[in-house]
Amino acid sequence: GEDVEQSLFLSVREGDSSVINCTYTDSSSTYLYWYKQEPGAGLQLLTYIFSNMDMKQDQRLTVLLNKKDKHLSLRIADTQTGDSAIYFCSPGRGSTLGRLYFGRGTQLTVWP
Amino acid sequence: EAQVTQNPRYLITVTGKKLTVTCSQNMNHEYMSWYRQDPGLGLRQIYYSMNVEVTDKGDVPEGYKVSRKEKRNFPLILESPSPNQTSLYFCASRPTTGGSDEQYFGPGTRLTVT
Repeated sequence: GEDVEQSLFLSVREGDSSVINCTYTDSSSTYLYWYKQEPGAGLQLLTYIFSNMDMKQDQRLTVLLNKKDKHLSLRIADTQTGDSAIYFCSPGRGSTLGRLYFGRGTQLTVWP
Repeated sequence: EAQVTQNPRYLITVTGKKLTVTCSQNMNHEYMSWYRQDPGLGLRQIYYSMNVEVTDKGDVPEGYKVSRKEKRNFPLILESPSPNQTSLYFCASRPTTGGSDEQYFGPGTRLTVT
């Protein structure tokens, strides 16, 4: 099946940028997603990128996609303590397919 | 409000005592899925359902059963729970048309099996 890799931990100071990386193996993904899980809560969609794009910017969030290397990254500018959460990468497989995969999640800790 | 609900949110049980975790969505989504989340392992898919009466195994189906008799409900059944099923469980749903496969998650059920 699909293999999705993320580093487990990232610590940054408030105001710095955070970069969370993800590599995946399935090259057929149409959408690639980043989900955020706050403490004690379920996952919520944070942002996504369509596979024919290299970059997508959404306020403080920048998603970069290198389709050739199957590498996805999420950059959070001016990281705030409220950004402390677990971030999951999930390559989409199309709405007609059922098996879905997630990375192990990156725990982002933001220090004041 | 569009949402996925799970019950119970917390459950402590003993080995071998059958239990059911319910999941319900009000968005008329065809697709529903169950995941378990364990530290260091991330989210792993247990079972999914593409529509009513259609279910299929995910990555870690052993020890679990599901049913999809109605579109809105997708219960997860543990016939004989064991301690290695202690975990945080999430239900999710999404439509199967429109191209996007963004999922909507429930709040989670924390299960402890002693």
